[in-house]
Amino acid sequence: DTGVSQDPRHKITKRGQNVTFRCDPISEHNRLYWYRQTLGQGPEFLTYFQNEAQLEKSRLLSDRFSAERPKGSFSTLEIQRTEQGDSAMYLCASSLNQGGPAGELFFGEGSRLTVL
Amino acid sequence: AQSVTQLGSHVSVSEGALVLLRCNYSSSVPPYLFWYVQYPNQGLQLLLKYTTGATLVKGINGFEAEFKKSETSFHLTKPSAHMSDAAEYFCAVTIYGNNRLAFGKGNQVVVIP
Repeated sequence: DTGVSQDPRHKITKRGQNVTFRCDPISEHNRLYWYRQTLGQGPEFLTYFQNEAQLEKSRLLSDRFSAERPKGSFSTLEIQRTEQGDSAMYLCASSLNQGGPAGELFFGEGSRLTVL
Repeated sequence: AQSVTQLGSHVSVSEGALVLLRCNYSSSVPPYLFWYVQYPNQGLQLLLKYTTGATLVKGINGFEAEFKKSETSFHLTKPSAHMSDAAEYFCAVTIYGNNRLAFGKGNQVVVIP
């Protein structure tokens, strides 16, 4: 169990560029979540996958955002045409769905995005 | 939609003193409540959770929280603060069948020697 890993840890980009973040969940976990955290705020839900299916998306996830989880393993979160308001910490979490309540999530250290 | 409120973004506590972090929730149905902790340069980790059953729940590192429906609260306590408790603490809520956690804004805890 190596934990949830995210890459890159930091990304600085210019407005209008595309960025992609990768998340590798704990290997046996079937659920994967993306959250966004801005300064002074708690994490906000973006989307989640069960295996390879994206089952829920937040209104925060505009058309410029796309997430995938091919083969139900790692996931990518792509932001197209970045804006300064996209600057945030992007958190990935995973869990094992055993029929219990969602909430016992294992988080990665996050990918910090700065849009200049 | 469910939500939680955490007041006081920064909390200072003396080493050895009681740690008390307040969390009030809003939910029209029975909630599931969580406290997460984020140590510097680490990911969030679960401290404790309440789903059903006993309303006083114990977590890691000596923390506990009590679910009080009448007060819509889930306050986190630790009898004696340690320097290693310096971290950011988040309260979160969800309900059965909901796959989203709604987090509060967090409390940054500073432990004074």
